[in-house]
Amino acid sequence: NAGVTQTPKFQVLKTGQSMTLQCAQDMNHEYMSWYRQDPGMGLRLIHYSVGAGITDQGEVPNGYNVSRSTTEDFPLRLLSAAPSQTSVYFCASSFLRGAETQYFGPGTRLLVL
Amino acid sequence: GEDVEQSLFLSVREGDSSVINCTYTDSSSTYLYWYKQEPGAGLQLLTYIFSNMDMKQDQRLTVLLNKKDKHLSLRIADTQTGDSAIYFCAESIEAGTASKLTFGTGTRLQVTL
Repeated sequence: NAGVTQTPKFQVLKTGQSMTLQCAQDMNHEYMSWYRQDPGMGLRLIHYSVGAGITDQGEVPNGYNVSRSTTEDFPLRLLSAAPSQTSVYFCASSFLRGAETQYFGPGTRLLVL
Repeated sequence: GEDVEQSLFLSVREGDSSVINCTYTDSSSTYLYWYKQEPGAGLQLLTYIFSNMDMKQDQRLTVLLNKKDKHLSLRIADTQTGDSAIYFCAESIEAGTASKLTFGTGTRLQVTL
């Protein structure tokens, strides 16, 4: 199993550009989520999904869109990037929403100029 | 509101014990977690403790929970250079649900020879 994979590893955007961060898992986990990690702060939840076709907002959803068309994939879209979205983004998945079974991807480092 | 605090940095010598501390504010926390983040990687769950427990031991790791003071600690015995990482504590107010985690700011552990 590859676990949770994320692409790209690193991306530079200009303000106003759009992009999609990809996340995939091969563990047949129903629950998937996106976090952002900023210096001096803990991880903050952006969006999450409890299964294909079902998504919900986390603590910091503004400026981000998600969709879940398959169990395996959970892309995160930035429609119009802002410098405040410079961060490291982590995707995670778990079995039945359990935090004790949550696996994290390696992260995508995003710089918005 | 929920708030989880940790000291930013800890330096220990190889072979010594490390103690990483965490305080939380939400008395309704049900599970408390410790994660490890190695450079360039996602978070890895180390251990967790249910709120009705005082202590949990897992090989070199000992978790102590003081519910009265809302204080959680992680002791690493015989600390090795491979333990150098950032350690995050997290609390869940809803029975271990991943979408209800609040993360601390992280403690960077440096192990010196």
